[in-house]
Amino acid sequence: AQSVAQPEDQVNVAEGNPLTVKCTYSVSGNPYLFWYVQYPNRGLQFLLKYITGDNLVKGSYGFEAEFNKSQTSFHLKKPSALVSDSALYFCAVRDAWNYGQNFVFGPGTRLSVLP
Amino acid sequence: GAVVSQHPSWVICKSGTSVKIECRSLDFQATTMFWYRQFPKQSLMLMATSNEGSKATYEQGVEKDKFLINHASLTLSTLTVTSAHPEDSSFYICSARIGTGAPTDTQYFGPGTRLTVL
Repeated sequence: AQSVAQPEDQVNVAEGNPLTVKCTYSVSGNPYLFWYVQYPNRGLQFLLKYITGDNLVKGSYGFEAEFNKSQTSFHLKKPSALVSDSALYFCAVRDAWNYGQNFVFGPGTRLSVLP
Repeated sequence: GAVVSQHPSWVICKSGTSVKIECRSLDFQATTMFWYRQFPKQSLMLMATSNEGSKATYEQGVEKDKFLINHASLTLSTLTVTSAHPEDSSFYICSARIGTGAPTDTQYFGPGTRLTVL
């Protein structure tokens, strides 16, 4: 079975500081990992995904994520946070061995960037 | 590209009435669409997978007679909440998958529909 954990319900960071939103996963085969962001009363917006290749993936709005196979992690990062980055962030995983399978989403992490 | 729309964005209805929510892929064809439900401060719960031209596949615990899903074309899926009750009040989000079902496919999400049943 596949699962995703986001160990922090809430992350607070000052504007201009680097931010990290953590994600760990468990799958049977190789993982395909995704990050989405949700603004209040809106659907999810795709930020980035890791399929294969370089462990550092760059995505939208200056976000990047680092895949670490040994730690089964896919943490989302940004060098300098903006107040407008405040939102709910979801990590999701699919198992490469399961064709047609849907995402398993993490519980979400609320990011607050303080001015 | 890859825009998914939902209509309406919010709806208020009386208990016992039915509500239809539309999900459209605006600039691509989606053979598979998904319907999710999200409770406040919680993650997304998959309700059903909708494949164009065939019956939807419902997740365990989701009443298929209450949540009717139709995927009549490659760009439109509808969710009808029949005989709605206050406990059906929630945020409903659809998504559309670009690809053929591979694990690498990206899903694009609609903006969501907030349903309030009085």
